Amino acid sequence: GAVVSQHPSRVICKSGTSVKIECRSLDFQATTMFWYRQFPKQSLMLMATSNEGSKATYEQGVEKDKFLINHASLTLSTLTVASAHPEDSSFYICSARLRDRGIANYGYTFGSGTRLTVV
Amino acid sequence: AQKITQTQPGMFVQEKEAVTLDCTYDTSDPSYGLFWYKQPSSGEMIFLIYQGSYDQQNATEGRYSLNFQKARKSANLVISASQLGDSAMYFCAMREGVGSSNTGKLIFGQGTTLQVKP
Repeated sequence: GAVVSQHPSRVICKSGTSVKIECRSLDFQATTMFWYRQFPKQSLMLMATSNEGSKATYEQGVEKDKFLINHASLTLSTLTVASAHPEDSSFYICSARLRDRGIANYGYTFGSGTRLTVV
Repeated sequence: AQKITQTQPGMFVQEKEAVTLDCTYDTSDPSYGLFWYKQPSSGEMIFLIYQGSYDQQNATEGRYSLNFQKARKSANLVISASQLGDSAMYFCAMREGVGSSNTGKLIFGQGTTLQVKP
């Protein structure tokens, strides 16, 4: 149980286009979704925290107009990279916080990640 | 502010040997949680082990054990009987605080790349 489905797993887009990444909780309700960005061989850096039905909270230095997060329901959160540029190329991964941490992994489950390449 | 530090960018271990991956943390909250994750080249985050700040005993999960030294603020991961499939990047993470200000976000260390030699 407690599976987060993240799509797409890999995307290549042209500079200036927008890309949407979806994270869907399949068998539980995700009250909170965290979005991380990871450059090769580096740590996961938290970009923003989204709670269902409210505006996302962005970490310092993250452009909210470029990284648009929507958490419209308890089972779906999306990250849209607006007008993507080559420097936005990275690995993006979501993590859902479970209401009941006893379900799995002490309350956190991760999507499988999206590798974005902007050319 | 909470902080997690992994000082070993890369580690090598011989197959079937044990290896310790270091992790230190800093927090002023009395209640916190510490996690270890494995990230293979595919990118998925695989949960390995959890230690709560109030847990009296060190956590163990199969070949994984956590050497929790609260006074020293360290939470080292010990992998026993290393296997070739253990080659991956390993991250230590801490859950932020408690109470009304608890966002529950995980803060990650820099990671350690482990290579198991045959």
